[in-house]
Amino acid sequence: KQEVTQIPAALSVPEGENLVLNCSFTDSAIYNLQWFRQDPGKGLTSLLLIQSSQREQTSGRLNASLDKSSGRSTLYIAASQPGDSATYLCAVRRGYGNRDDKIIFGKGTRLHILP
Amino acid sequence: NAGVTQTPKFQVLKTGQSMTLQCAQDMNHNSMYWYRQDPGMGLRLIYYSASEGTTDKGEVPNGYNVSRLNKREFSLRLESAAPSQTSVYFCASSGRSLNSPLHFGNGTRLTVT
Repeated sequence: KQEVTQIPAALSVPEGENLVLNCSFTDSAIYNLQWFRQDPGKGLTSLLLIQSSQREQTSGRLNASLDKSSGRSTLYIAASQPGDSATYLCAVRRGYGNRDDKIIFGKGTRLHILP
Repeated sequence: NAGVTQTPKFQVLKTGQSMTLQCAQDMNHNSMYWYRQDPGMGLRLIYYSASEGTTDKGEVPNGYNVSRLNKREFSLRLESAAPSQTSVYFCASSGRSLNSPLHFGNGTRLTVT
């Protein structure tokens, strides 16, 4: 059974700092891993997707890495801004087209950037 | 391009009532999912469908049923609603390629009194 853990549960940092959010998963046989952002009371916005064969993906100030063998992914946010305040969730996909086609989420990290 | 459409957006039920949450996607995706989100719990998978005609239980299936009506539509039914089912429900879909992201609907906020 795949379990996805995100540490820390909450994080407050001053504006301008670089920060790292962590995601770990128990079953390394994954298809892909995706990071999402969720603002309070809103839906989920996809940030980055890393395929199982990839090591990292970058989009603007965001960089996500994947280490399948150790069951870990990190989301690096450079030069944080107050607008980055949100909950960040990672999701792991086991497979496709059959019973392995589950996508399991962590509980998220609530990020607060202090102006 | 509508993406993933969920209805209704809000619903209030009394304990014991039934209802169906509707979900449709127009992206020709094979895989569809139903999640519930409770405070501090992230998203928990209720049921999923890897292809038309198949459905499987997720992490928290008790009290729910689903129907994959066709490739576009995946509905979630509460036969006898309970207060513990008060939650925000999200439908999502994805293609099969390695780089296919998960697309979400806007959610249904359900309250059971």
